[in-house]
Amino acid sequence: EVQLLESGGNLVQPGGSLRLSCVASGFTFSTYAMAWVRQAPGKGLEWVSTFSSGGGSTYYADAVQGRFTISRDNSKNTLYLQMSSLRAEDTAIYYCAKGSYSGNYHYFDYWGQGTLVTVSS
Amino acid sequence: EIVLTQSPGTLSLSPGERATLSCRASQSGSGTYLAWYQQKPGQAPRLLIYGASSRATGIPDRFSGSGSGTDFTLTISRLEPEDFAVYYCQQYGSSPKTFGQGTKVEIK
Repeated sequence: EVQLLESGGNLVQPGGSLRLSCVASGFTFSTYAMAWVRQAPGKGLEWVSTFSSGGGSTYYADAVQGRFTISRDNSKNTLYLQMSSLRAEDTAIYYCAKGSYSGNYHYFDYWGQGTLVTVSS
Repeated sequence: EIVLTQSPGTLSLSPGERATLSCRASQSGSGTYLAWYQQKPGQAPRLLIYGASSRATGIPDRFSGSGSGTDFTLTISRLEPEDFAVYYCQQYGSSPKTFGQGTKVEIK
């Protein structure tokens, strides 16, 4: 059974930093792309970032490019999202999602339960 | 960036009725790289359909998807009580991956 467990969400001040983690189990983590998708309160879904497997390429939404960094540790089956220069508009539930294959052009076949990030003073 | 527009915003139906949800892409670059997700309050999204028409593992056959290019449809043949939720389409054939704004299927 595929499981994705996020952690690290918290209340942070504007301009601050936070690191999210996602521990995966139930599949061969190293062979799939992994992603972060967020959902602002009462709003729709927004893709944030993808880390492909194999070549290890990373991709970002324009809204977070230069502020967020996605990484993965295949030895720990863990995906990370380092967020810096946080803004109020980054407030959202952040979901970890498994890509349907190794590259960037994937859908999301499994999702974690999410972790809440609140950016406020 | 491909913009996905879902319609209607809200669909009010009774259990047993047929639901037809639309997703229109601003460009045809997504081909059949279109997925549908269901989200219930307080829960993570769940994959229903990928490749425009393939059901994900464990999804009942009352859910079906169709379309290609710019026009896609999710059909729920007979609504069950557990089907009342928000549905999102997502294209993954072009970067960045984008979602529609969602259609809420509510009990009439």
